[in-house]
Amino acid sequence: AQSVTQLGSHVSVSEGALVLLRCNYSSSVPPYLFWYVQYPNQGLQLLLKYTTGATLVKGINGFEAEFKKSETSFHLTKPSAHMSDAAEYFCAVEGSSGSARQLTFGSGTQLTVLP
Amino acid sequence: EPEVTQTPSHQVTQMGQEVILRCVPISNHLYFYWYRQILGQKVEFLVSFYNNEISEKSEIFDDQFSVERPDGSNFTLKIRSTKLEDSAMYFCASSPGLAPYEQYFGPGTRLTVT
Repeated sequence: AQSVTQLGSHVSVSEGALVLLRCNYSSSVPPYLFWYVQYPNQGLQLLLKYTTGATLVKGINGFEAEFKKSETSFHLTKPSAHMSDAAEYFCAVEGSSGSARQLTFGSGTQLTVLP
Repeated sequence: EPEVTQTPSHQVTQMGQEVILRCVPISNHLYFYWYRQILGQKVEFLVSFYNNEISEKSEIFDDQFSVERPDGSNFTLKIRSTKLEDSAMYFCASSPGLAPYEQYFGPGTRLTVT
């Protein structure tokens, strides 16, 4: 069984400030981890993913995330927020067992970027 | 860039009516999925489909739900007798293979049951 917890349903940052969105997961098998972004009235777009190998992964739009197995975390960061980053962000986990084909999502974090 | 499309974008139906939500996955993808998001809640997995059959389904996906790939391009979700609690955003997704391949999501269909 898998689960995802996103701390903070709403996060506000000033333009140019650091963005940190928190995600903790629980998985009975080695996880694959994903961050998706949802802009208003649009579908879910993949920002980045961790499968195996390097624990620091870089994604689109300057975002990155670090897989920390000891902390069961996969926090999303961006050094400098831009107004266009305002959106809802979802962390998701998929088990790496052969039959795993479903993503388990967190509740989402709404990011507001203040001018 | 290829994308998943869904129609309609918004569907309003009366309780007890049947609805069919349509999706066109990316053409060379092999795995297809439906998820739903009730307003203010998490995105939840409903069902995955591979090789013309259901490969996994969640507890939500009861006998009122069915999926079909009728013609090699469309992927549909049917709800036989809608309930008020079926009101949600329904997302279709497709992937070229299992993880670590990502799932590509469509823009969603907002279903409102009155």
